[in-house]
Amino acid sequence: SQTIHQWPATLVQPVGSPLSLECTVEGTSNPNLYWYRQAAGRGLQLLFYSVGIGQISSEVPQNLSASRPQDRQFILSSKKLLLSDSGFYLCAWSVFQGALGSPLHFGNGTRLTVT
Amino acid sequence: GQQLNQSPQSMFIQEGEDVSMNCTSSSIFNTWLWYKQDPGEGPVLLIALYKAGELTSNGRLTAQFGITRKDSFLNISASIPSDVGIYFCAGYGGATNKLIFGTGTLLAVQP
Repeated sequence: SQTIHQWPATLVQPVGSPLSLECTVEGTSNPNLYWYRQAAGRGLQLLFYSVGIGQISSEVPQNLSASRPQDRQFILSSKKLLLSDSGFYLCAWSVFQGALGSPLHFGNGTRLTVT
Repeated sequence: GQQLNQSPQSMFIQEGEDVSMNCTSSSIFNTWLWYKQDPGEGPVLLIALYKAGELTSNGRLTAQFGITRKDSFLNISASIPSDVGIYFCAGYGGATNKLIFGTGTLLAVQP
């Protein structure tokens, strides 16, 4: 069965420091991978998605970047964190399902607090 | 841009009551998904719907893909305290066929 691992679970970082959040998926090949941010108000905002190694699409301009160095590894990074980067970051995966939309399966998230 | 209207925003009910929530779209959707998110965790997929009119159950949960393809409903029967959480609808549709999430329904169940 497929599993998704996301770490760390919580992170407190000072403004201006770098960020690296990691996500790995097991039990499937060539998954689509996603990074979402969830603000306190509850909505889920898509930040990046990837359909393959080295292929990254950015949905919103921001202070963050994503990379996919391996098939089942997705990394969210920042060179210098801003206060506004605080939030709950969720990694997710899906498989291509043709014309039908494929459900996303989420990790347990990383709570990032920038101080 | 495309939006999903999810209602109600929150519900406060007594244990044992039935719950209904829904999502509506301005565009036709091809797939509807329902998720539940417990505090501090990621959303978990509850039910996936792929056909207009489809009615699918998962234990005490039942979801339907609306006939117009512009809405979906989730019902929870005989609620229990562990049903507490935020329920999200999501769907693929419209011109881009990208996944869109609703704004969530916060459910609180009083024992």
